[in-house]
Amino acid sequence: ETGVTQSPTHLIKTRGQQVTLRCSSQSGHNTVSWYQQALGQGPQFIFQYYREEENGRGNFPPRFSGLQFPNYSSELNVNALELDDSALYLCASSLAPTGQGMMDAFFGQGTRLTVV
Amino acid sequence: GQNIDQPTEMTATEGAIVQINCTYQTSGFNGLFWYQQHAGEAPTFLSYNVLDGLEEKGRFSSFLSRSKGYSYLLLKELQMKDSASYLCAVFPFGNTPLVFGKGTRLSVIA
Repeated sequence: ETGVTQSPTHLIKTRGQQVTLRCSSQSGHNTVSWYQQALGQGPQFIFQYYREEENGRGNFPPRFSGLQFPNYSSELNVNALELDDSALYLCASSLAPTGQGMMDAFFGQGTRLTVV
Repeated sequence: GQNIDQPTEMTATEGAIVQINCTYQTSGFNGLFWYQQHAGEAPTFLSYNVLDGLEEKGRFSSFLSRSKGYSYLLLKELQMKDSASYLCAVFPFGNTPLVFGKGTRLSVIA
């Protein structure tokens, strides 16, 4: 069992609404990455935070935004929700934003978001 | 960009050996990961290959050939609990960590 906790575990929202998803990081980890995983697909990189700064972003529109706090926990915010945003949202915390750091990465259990 | 291909589904028998292939087209990358993901659960780390060759870890081995743009995950002595999705992921240069393939759903049958 990892120390990465995501909340909530499940969420149903209406199209056009806004949502905030939360992720605690493993103790000692300073990097959090967020991924979107649609059903039957692999996770797609949304963005990464390293020591409270955005450290890379995937091909997602600006209505996907995030934050990392001094304790390295993180939030993912999605505005103006669309039906296609329905997915499992995963966060991963790691020691560093490097390949070696990712070897010690732990994924949270994910938040299942359904947009209706 | 990166294009990662894996078979969508595979079925194998308990006790057997199965090889899950991953091919990719990328201009360069730091290394290649394999993850296991049971339905409804988080991906868990299996292996990370930086250099060409075989990395063995118990029943699981992973192989990388950069020149051929090819990796595989080998699972030996299959158990029912190995039924899961197996994700191949490239760790590219730059600030775009982990580009995943779509995953291979492995079913282990008795």
